[in-house]
Amino acid sequence: DAKTTQPNSMESNEEEPVHLPCNHSTISGTDYIHWYRQLPSQGPEYVIHGLTSNVNNRMASLAIAEDRKSSTLILHRATLRDAAVYYCILRSTYNQGGKLIFGQGTELSVKP
Amino acid sequence: GAGVSQSPRYKVAKRGQDVALRCDPISGHVSLFWYQQALGQGPEFLTYFQNEAQLDKSGLPSDRFFAERPEGSVSTLKIQRTQQEDSAVYLCASSLKTIVNTGELFFGEGSRLTVL
Repeated sequence: DAKTTQPNSMESNEEEPVHLPCNHSTISGTDYIHWYRQLPSQGPEYVIHGLTSNVNNRMASLAIAEDRKSSTLILHRATLRDAAVYYCILRSTYNQGGKLIFGQGTELSVKP
Repeated sequence: GAGVSQSPRYKVAKRGQDVALRCDPISGHVSLFWYQQALGQGPEFLTYFQNEAQLDKSGLPSDRFFAERPEGSVSTLKIQRTQQEDSAVYLCASSLKTIVNTGELFFGEGSRLTVL
């Protein structure tokens, strides 16, 4: 599976936008870009996914570079409840069962 | 609506004991995954079931780890002769679809195993 690179940690102020970057220079044409987050003492939860076009949902937006070698998860107004580890994951058509391969993720802290 | 349920939430075992961890996936979900998460690390894939068939067990760290899903719903992860390095949170996830690129995985809260 192609690998992703994320900063280990980021800080944000409450009610400000947050841009979480992810590099995936070896992405293949059929890889979807998925984001999950893990709040303290909980299992990961789905945030958003995309292939080529930018995507929006109620939780976040996903901006995908034109060459697909990087993407950015955007939280429009960070709240204290958004403090979590955010994982950027590539999911391949050829990946048995669609298992997710997690990296280290980015630990986001939100200051009041 | 029930999510993925795991039990026990916490388990303390003495080194050498056998443990069994249970996962109740969301009803109707075809795919089931087990992950191991050490402290401060991302989850590591262990094994995958499609219905009752175990299609991928490439992540199981040793033959002391065994998983089953005999009727295609509830799954059990068994660890024999536990060792201290088995201490971790064990996460179960289920997914409705077998479409591998896009189906959302739903995770349980995990079972925290501590081996003394």
